[in-house]
Parts: sequence; structure tokens; C-alpha cells
Amino acid sequence: AQSVTQLDSHVSVSEGTPVLLRCNYSSSYSPSLFWYVQHPNKGLQLLLKYTSAATLVKGINGFEAEFKKSETSFHLTKPSAHMSDAAEYFCVVSGRGGADGLTFGKGTHLIIQP
Amino acid sequence: DSGVTQTPKHLITATGQRVTLRCSPRSGDLSVYWYQQSLDQGLQFLIQYYNGEERAKGNILERFSAQQFPDLHSELNLSSLELGDSALYFCASTKGGGADYEQFFGPGTRLTVL
Repeated sequence: AQSVTQLDSHVSVSEGTPVLLRCNYSSSYSPSLFWYVQHPNKGLQLLLKYTSAATLVKGINGFEAEFKKSETSFHLTKPSAHMSDAAEYFCVVSGRGGADGLTFGKGTHLIIQP
Repeated sequence: DSGVTQTPKHLITATGQRVTLRCSPRSGDLSVYWYQQSLDQGLQFLIQYYNGEERAKGNILERFSAQQFPDLHSELNLSSLELGDSALYFCASTKGGGADYEQFFGPGTRLTVL
């Protein structure tokens, strides 16, 4: 079984300041981990993924995430927030080669203050 | 634009009715996933098909069924609809059958059950 906990339902930052969205996971298998973003009234888009290669993963739009097995965490960061980053972010885990499908976190709503 | 299409965009129906949602994957993608997104349950994986065969099953109710046709499009059938089935239904497609592949999401079908 697998699960994902996104520790913050809402995060508010000022434009130009760093972003940190926190995610903890649980998996009985070596997990693959993803971050997806959903802009209002749009489908989801992959930001980045970890699949047991480098623990620091770089994604699109300046986002990156670090896989920390000892802490079972996969936090998403960005050095400088932009207004266009305002969206819903989902941390996602898959296990057992995908046989259990994907498990989504509840989402973190990122608000960017001008 | 992800290349995944879903029809219809909106659907309004009554309790007890049956509806069919349609998904056309990206050209060349063999796998289709279905998800339900609601305010109380968040984003939940329902079912996956790969090249016409069921590959993985998530939290799909017995009143719901899906299939993937030889041309690889997929349909999600929802029957005996209840108020709680009101949600946004997404499909996603990938080239391969494993969940490590990036999933490309369609824009979703918003189902309202009155």
C-alpha cells in the first residue's frame, strides 16, 4: 500500500521569494514520485519525477525536488516565485511498477502575493 | 494542449441515470488512466487500461465500468448515478503501461448529478 501526505493545504508567498511545498510519502515498494501542477480549469501537467536515479530532480519552470529516503520526503522548491506559479500542486506516488496505480496527495494551493 | 481529448466537457444529469465519458489518448499512447476529482475525496485513481486490457484498478465503484477499444480510445460508464458522483473526471494517457511514464492529462469532463 502507498500513501502521500501534503503537509500544507495552502501556501502563500510573495512574488520573488522562495517556494517550499512539503510532501511525505509511504510505500511498501521502492516508489516513483511525481509532482503535478493544475492551473485553474485546466488538466494536470507533470512538473518533475523521481524514479530511483539522482535524488535531486529538476523539473520545468525552475522547480526542483529532493528525494530523502530517511525522511520519506519529496519536497518541492523554487528559488523565486512568479505570479504564473499560482496553482494547485499535487504530490504523487506510484509503487510496484505502477500495478497499484498512482496515489495523489490532497493538493497544496499556492498563492502568490504581488 | 496535452493532445488528450475528452468529451463532453460538461454533463448535467439526474440521479439514477447512466452516462458515458469518452477519452482519446495522444497519438501513439497505449495506456489510458481514469481519475475522479471531487472536493471531499480529492483526486482518485479509478482504473487503467493498456492496449485494450485492464492493467490496474483503484477506487472504482461497481456502478462504474470502463473499456478501451481497438482504436485505443476509452470510455468510462457511470450508472445508477448518485449526487456524490458529481465530480471532474480526467483521463490521462502514456506510451507504456508502467506508472513511471509521464501521464498526459485531458481537460476533464465535469459531471453534475442533480
